[in-house]
Amino acid sequence: DQQVKQNSPSLSVQEGRISILNCDYTNSMFDYFLWYKKYPAEGPTFLISISSIKDKNEDGRFTVFLNKSAKHLSLHIVPSQPGDSAVYFCAAVYGNKLVFGAGTILRVKS
Amino acid sequence: DAGVIQSPRHEVTEMGQEVTLRCKPISGHDYLFWYRQTMMRGLELLIYFNNNVPIDDSGMPEDRFSAKMPNASFSTLKIQPSEPRDSAVYFCASSLVIRAGIDTEAFFGQGTRLTVV
Repeated sequence: DQQVKQNSPSLSVQEGRISILNCDYTNSMFDYFLWYKKYPAEGPTFLISISSIKDKNEDGRFTVFLNKSAKHLSLHIVPSQPGDSAVYFCAAVYGNKLVFGAGTILRVKS
Repeated sequence: DAGVIQSPRHEVTEMGQEVTLRCKPISGHDYLFWYRQTMMRGLELLIYFNNNVPIDDSGMPEDRFSAKMPNASFSTLKIQPSEPRDSAVYFCASSLVIRAGIDTEAFFGQGTRLTVV
């Protein structure tokens, strides 16, 4: 039972444009959300997070939006750069557990 | 600190053999997690420890899987006997705390790519 879902396995975007990665969750008890980025042959690294009491958090080119009523969050990358090409994992926190989605492969074309 | 260290980086073994994956968490971290990455399911949480005590092992797929944390600086994930469907990348991660609103970040190792033939 996937409690955190990333329904788009991959996304291709032109350099300089906006990348939007989506994530849906089913457990209303999740109270904190994170995005991780993973390059090949490396472990995932933390990118940005958002608390359930907020609807937006911004860090440079990266912004995460949370819509609690829809149980949906998204990661916006503006402008996209070739170095952003990686797998992006959405994760949610409940208690002491960090639950991940299946990931979305982002390819930024130059 | 060198970060979370996993060994080996790659493991190829024959079906039926025992496999042991190792992890050294970041010093001072109270939580240790074992994840498995597959194409279909992404990062699955297998088990996590708090202060060396297993807290939730509901993600461990079968009795063939076991994990231990004998001390704060070492953990193992063992598969016995191994099967081809166990082939995946296994990640270990550690954290100070996993709780909303506090420093909620888990640091991952580079993973062990397991291939069972």
